[in-house]
Amino acid sequence: QQPVQSPQAVILREGEDAVINCSSSKALYSVHWYRQKHGEAPVFLMILLKGGEQKGHEKISASFNEKKQQSSLYLTASQLSYSGTYFCGTPAATSGTYKYIFGTGTRLKVLA
Amino acid sequence: DTEVTQTPKHLVMGMTNKKSLKCEQHMGHRAMYWYKQKAKKPPELMFVYSYEKLSINESVPSRFSPECPNSSLLNLHLHALQPEDSALYLCASSQAPGAIEPQHFGDGTRLSIL
Repeated sequence: QQPVQSPQAVILREGEDAVINCSSSKALYSVHWYRQKHGEAPVFLMILLKGGEQKGHEKISASFNEKKQQSSLYLTASQLSYSGTYFCGTPAATSGTYKYIFGTGTRLKVLA
Repeated sequence: DTEVTQTPKHLVMGMTNKKSLKCEQHMGHRAMYWYKQKAKKPPELMFVYSYEKLSINESVPSRFSPECPNSSLLNLHLHALQPEDSALYLCASSQAPGAIEPQHFGDGTRLSIL
């Protein structure tokens, strides 16, 4: 079951903050966050582990609520370089078979 | 620059052609992946190789055939593709498949089927 991200799209002015949510109908054991710019590869941002702490670097941080089966990505004082599509991703095992599933994606555009 | 290199960057082929996509990584990773990504959609997992063995096939049509010649190389052989197979094909690698390993992606091959 694919995690659902919200919002689907968001437009910000430079310096504004944003929150992107990733919700799953199944238990999450870890969540990865990626950013993909148009025409480029997805780039890994950070990993959240079950029972782990909130992660962050520079002005991008994230949290993981295992009970709610949800992760949130926080972008503070956004910069033009933050524009792109953000995906959460999570490994999942079905009948002992490894899978990796990306969320539905959130398109973020930062304007000057 | 990404540490996962994919070639070619663009490929246009007819439905009767045979072509191959190539992927290379030199990070010592033991898991490699092929994904298909349509415009404005998330990547969808096609194949996973773990220690050079195919460990999962996501019910992908047989016109896509993966190959892992060694731990650094991953190929995707294409034959008799359909127009709906036009997409961005991404290769990725990680230390091993698992909950804590992030994946490193190549820039992808943009494939167009005529």
